[in-house]
Order: sequence, then C-alpha cells, then structure tokens
Amino acid sequence: EAEVAQSPRYKITEKSQAVAFWCDPISGHATLYWYRQILGQGPELLVQFQDESVVDDSQLPKDRFSAERLKGVDSTLKIQPAELGDSAMYLCASSSRTEFGDTQYFGPGTRLTVL
Amino acid sequence: AQSVTQPDIHITVSEGASLELRCNYSYGATPYLFWYVQSPGQGLQLLLKYFSGDTLVQGIKGFEAEFKRSQSSFNLRKPSVHWSDAAEYFCAVDSGTYKYIFGTGTRLKVLA
Repeated sequence: EAEVAQSPRYKITEKSQAVAFWCDPISGHATLYWYRQILGQGPELLVQFQDESVVDDSQLPKDRFSAERLKGVDSTLKIQPAELGDSAMYLCASSSRTEFGDTQYFGPGTRLTVL
Repeated sequence: AQSVTQPDIHITVSEGASLELRCNYSYGATPYLFWYVQSPGQGLQLLLKYFSGDTLVQGIKGFEAEFKRSQSSFNLRKPSVHWSDAAEYFCAVDSGTYKYIFGTGTRLKVLA
C-alpha cells in the first residue's frame, strides 16, 4: 500500500538554527498539506499545495517558515530561525480528489525539539 | 466558524468492553466526516469516513461510526476493545473546501 514518506523522523536543534523537513506524497496525489501538531492537540494546517501552487498558507508564520513544492511532487518545509515554541510534530498529508470528496493520508511525521 | 468538539479528553475502558467516542461538529450543511487514530510518536491513520449515503459507516480494525444529522454528531464505536486500540483518536471535518478541522482528540487507555 502506498504511503506518505517523511524525513527525518526526529530532529533536535538549538534555537536560532535552521531546520528543514521533507515529504514525499503518495504517487499521483496532487494535493499536499503540512500540519503542525502541538502535544495534546489536534493537527493544525500550515500550508496546502495543489500541484506546485500554494492554495492556502494563511496560518504559516511567514517570517520564519517557508514551504515549497517545486515540481509538484515532493515538498520541503523550512524553519529559520527555529524558536522554542516551534517544538511540535510536523505532519505531511496528501490527497486525491474524487467525486466522493477528498481523503487525506498522513505520513509518520517529524518530531522537532528546539532547545 | 466551523468547529469540532471531542468532549472527552481521556477515556479508560477494560479490554473486551464496548467503546464510544463522541464527536460533535458545528457547520451549516452536511460536512464530510472522518475518524483518525494516532499511536504515540506516529502519524494519523484513517479509520473511516462519511461522505454521503448510509449513515452507519464501517471502518478498519472493527470500528464503526454513525452520522446523526439532528445531533450534529459522528460518534465512533467498537463493540469489544483490544489492548492494541490504546491510542489517541481524532475526529475531523471537511466542509467541502478540502481543508480539515480536527478536534482536540480523545486519548484511550485500555485496562487488561
């Protein structure tokens, strides 16, 4: 069964450093999402791509976060500089739209710890 | 604004007992509804989804959920819980904009 791949699985960094996360969606899925999940809470959308275009980045802290999906396949989420409050799980999801709606499939996530 | 409420933060059941996790949503029309499960340190796995049609939906791992329009609810059920079901469960709503809103989750503990 096809899965969403993410790397690294765990990342520990010091504040003010730069970090980057990678996501490879399920083959053929045009829509890709990045979520942030703080411990004890549900995921919150950071950015949504349709192919290589950003559809929604209204919740992305653009002063320090950036995301790209240059060829409409895999994607990178970057944080520079990292802050203590960025410690969280970063989840990537992908979906394909059908007449029955849109179902998102999630990767294993990247656990970020900022010291 | 659309919202999803999972009233129970923690639930503890004995192995073999039945389970019901509650989910209520706030939205004007009938949304698309989902339940996901998350084991510690892992991503979210889709259990089941409701788009339209039969209001009782069957999912993986023996779970089912029932959509009740009059109560704006989509509660998850399992007749007999196994120790491996211990995890966190998230209800999500898609109002048709291809954006999900998640509840805050319910953490399930299973007693042997």
